[in-house]
Amino acid sequence: KNQVEQSPQSLIILEGKNCTLQCNYTVSPFSNLRWYKQDTGRGPVSLTIMTFSENTKSNGRYTATLDADTKQSSLHITASQLSDSASYICVVRKGFQKLVFGTGTRLLVSP
Amino acid sequence: EPEVTQTPSHQVTQMGQEVILRCVPISNHLYFYWYRQILGQKVEFLVSFYNNEISEKSEIFDDQFSVERPDGSNFTLKIRSTKLEDSAMYFCASSEKFGTQQETQYFGPGTRLLVL
Repeated sequence: KNQVEQSPQSLIILEGKNCTLQCNYTVSPFSNLRWYKQDTGRGPVSLTIMTFSENTKSNGRYTATLDADTKQSSLHITASQLSDSASYICVVRKGFQKLVFGTGTRLLVSP
Repeated sequence: EPEVTQTPSHQVTQMGQEVILRCVPISNHLYFYWYRQILGQKVEFLVSFYNNEISEKSEIFDDQFSVERPDGSNFTLKIRSTKLEDSAMYFCASSEKFGTQQETQYFGPGTRLLVL
């Protein structure tokens, strides 16, 4: 079944600390994997897109990894800021078009 | 920076009524999408649209739903007879490219629909 599972469901960290969010998927055929940031009441905003051949991709303080063999991805946030508080959603593109969304990890960065 | 806009931001309607949600995609984008997110749940794909026709739809997108691009800028989602379970946030998205590894979909801010 085409699913995207994320862990943890929620996470609280202190400002300035690092954290890593996990994503496991069973989507097939795999096209690419994206990480989105979704602020409360807003639409998702793309952070990174990774294809089958990419292992690591960075976007500022965000670094995503992809292991296509084990079908796992992670998003590492460095030196967290209060504005990082949001839901982080792992999204896998199935084939040419359909995006399969994970349930997200809700991150709260505390001062 | 260009962005996807949606109107209204909030809509309250009675069960059985028709609603039309409006979206203005980014101007040079050719591919359009609708998603919904029930409160506390994950985002779900509804439909994709290209060249004035539906290119893919999910099992959620039944005969009660329809999409249209009535002019050169707007992209609409119509729900003919709303049900309580249609209450959700509806996101419109658009993309410039299709079928490429690096295609990015840009999401609008959403319309929160509440069916009473």
